[in-house]
Amino acid sequence: NAGVTQTPKFRVLKTGQSMTLLCAQDMNHEYMYWYRQDPGMGLRLIHYSVGEGTTAKGEVPDGYNVSRLKKQNFLLGLESAAPSQTSVYFCASSTTGGLAEAFFGQGTRLTVV
Amino acid sequence: AQSVTQLGSHVSVSEGALVLLRCNYSSSVPPYLFWYVQYPNQGLQLLLKYTSAATLVKGINGFEAEFKKSETSFHLTKPSAHMSDAAEYFCAVRPEGSARQLTFGSGTQLTVLP
Repeated sequence: NAGVTQTPKFRVLKTGQSMTLLCAQDMNHEYMYWYRQDPGMGLRLIHYSVGEGTTAKGEVPDGYNVSRLKKQNFLLGLESAAPSQTSVYFCASSTTGGLAEAFFGQGTRLTVV
Repeated sequence: AQSVTQLGSHVSVSEGALVLLRCNYSSSVPPYLFWYVQYPNQGLQLLLKYTSAATLVKGINGFEAEFKKSETSFHLTKPSAHMSDAAEYFCAVRPEGSARQLTFGSGTQLTVLP
C-alpha cells in the first residue's frame, strides 16, 4: 500500500529558481494538505484542498501556489525560491469528518541556497 | 483560531520511567484532539485521538492520553519508557464542526536514556 507519496525526497535550489513538489495519494481521500516543518515551530499549514479543483490558504501561504486538478494529486509550487523556504515539506491526506486521521508522506527536504 | 501549546520542547527520561508529554488547547468548546509521533526522517503517524467516548484514550505502543476539559489539556503518558519511544511527538487539534484545518503544536522531542 503506497498511501501518500511525495516526490522528490530531496532537492537543492538556487535562490530565484522554481520547482513543483508532487503529492499523490491512493486512498481516495477528499482532503489534502501541505505543511512545512521547521525546528521548534512544529508543522505549519501552507495550503489545503477539500476536493478536486478546490484550494485554500493555510497559515503560511505566501510564496507558494497549489493545484488540485485530479483528486489523487496535490501539487505545491515555488515560483521564485527564497532561502526562507528552506524546510521539510510534508503532504497529508484525510477523509472528511473531524475525527479523520491524516496520513502523511515521507517528506521532501528542500534547501534553497 | 484554535491552537495547541506543548510545554517542553525537549523531554528526557530514563528507560523504564514514566513518560509525560503536555498539551493544552485553547478553546471553550473541546475540539477534536490528536497525538502524532514522528520517528527520525519519517512522516507523522497517528498515536491516538480523542473521540469523546471516554476521557482516557488508549493508543498504540502503550501510550494513552487523558482529556481534561476543566484544564483544557490532553497530556500524553506512557508508564514505562522504551528506547524505541525516542521520537518527536506532536499534539494536534481540529476545531469542532470542521474537518478542514489540522493545527499542530510545536512538538516535543523525547529522549530515552539507557
